[in-house]
Amino acid sequence: QVQLVESGGGLVKPGGSLRLSCAASGFTFSDYYMSWIRQAPGKGLEWVSYISSSGSIIYYADSVKGRFTISRDNAKTSLYLQMNSLRAEDTAVYYCARYSKFGTGVYDYWGQGTLVTVSS
Amino acid sequence: QSVLTQPPSASGTPGQRVTISCSGSSSNIGSYSVNWYQQLPGTAPKLLMYSNDLRPSGVPDRFSGSKSGTSASLAISGLQSEDEADYYCGAWDNSLNGVVFGGGTKLTVL
Repeated sequence: QVQLVESGGGLVKPGGSLRLSCAASGFTFSDYYMSWIRQAPGKGLEWVSYISSSGSIIYYADSVKGRFTISRDNAKTSLYLQMNSLRAEDTAVYYCARYSKFGTGVYDYWGQGTLVTVSS
Repeated sequence: QSVLTQPPSASGTPGQRVTISCSGSSSNIGSYSVNWYQQLPGTAPKLLMYSNDLRPSGVPDRFSGSKSGTSASLAISGLQSEDEADYYCGAWDNSLNGVVFGGGTKLTVL
């Protein structure tokens, strides 16, 4: 069965950095586009970034452009999010999600999420 | 402020039919299909409906979706207590080159 397991969240000071990881299993990771989507406490979903199956196509939300970097290692079936210059407003649960091959903009599997707290 | 607009709350009694609306623009719903996600309390979102009106395997046919122009809606018939959750619509947006979501609708089963 498809599994996505995020890790790497925690408490970090404003201006600091953190690297999130997502370990994928149960499907051919290298065949799928992947994304990071976040949810601030008590708030809605916010799309963060998207990477193609080969890593050649990458998009970011304006709110994180220039500060966050998405990457993947198909050999390790893992997705990453390097987060630099963190701000209080980046505080959220970060979900790793698989972009479905059916439809447009469809996320068919989500991880359980990892909490990132940016606070002094 | 979310790009897609949803009512913040909805409610109904067991057995009733409720609908949740989602409004967008020509760059998102007007050009692409709409997807819906259900988030039960304390859990990750789960895909509920995709390509406007298709249900993933395992989703009861009590759930249905539709889209017209730049708006979409999710209908739940025969409301059950386990349907109490937050519901989000989402769609690709070609002006942002990313997926946009609604602010979410909290469904309460009275």
